[in-house]
Amino acid sequence: QSVLTQPPSVSGAPGQRVTISCTGSSSNTGAGYDVHWYQQLPGAAPKLLIYRNNNRPSGVPDRFSASKSGTSASLAITGLQTEDEAEYYCQSYDSSLSDSVFGTGTRVTVL
Amino acid sequence: QLLLQESGPGLVKPSETLSLTCNVSGGSVNNNNYYWGWIRQSPGRGLEWIGSVYHSGSAYYNPSLRSRFTVSIDASKNQFSLRLSYVSAADAAVYFCARHAGIAAWFDPWGQGTPVTVSS
Repeated sequence: QSVLTQPPSVSGAPGQRVTISCTGSSSNTGAGYDVHWYQQLPGAAPKLLIYRNNNRPSGVPDRFSASKSGTSASLAITGLQTEDEAEYYCQSYDSSLSDSVFGTGTRVTVL
Repeated sequence: QLLLQESGPGLVKPSETLSLTCNVSGGSVNNNNYYWGWIRQSPGRGLEWIGSVYHSGSAYYNPSLRSRFTVSIDASKNQFSLRLSYVSAADAAVYFCARHAGIAAWFDPWGQGTPVTVSS
């Protein structure tokens, strides 16, 4: 149902780099609306990871980075650590729905 | 540090009204820089923004959900609330409250969430 599509899962060994894509359309990410990213650990609330496409809040490690281009955005985790195992969500605004929308979510597994 | 804490019944019967409250500490809801919102999460629907309220009481909603939801604010108690009428099994979810700076802005911080079960 979400208008922002993410891969269901990605995995990597400790120390590796993984990326998560977030694909939208011309009414949300393609319309210039910002993309924000959240990390959700098991049993916890989502936590803001990236805001306004590529900005990290205070306290978020610089292993997390993000970018946006056209209708897509991506989140990268470099130097993957076991504590990075979580669900990751992107979020934007959709002008045709007049709705703040979330991505489908991506489970990151550390092998 | 701003903290948000949801409260409400964990169980509600079908067709009844669900009322949830989000208590805010470490800051004031009477702040014209922010909106106060509700988001729910369920296995079938993922994360879904429900609606948000401004300190003035003005509220705006997810158009696909609007008709049954009401978001309100009580600055005297430093809290805001969600009411959902005529609940059904499809409304079972974890409900989160969160602060955000505008219609297209990010949500931060979030409350820890409160699970809601719908059952007779």
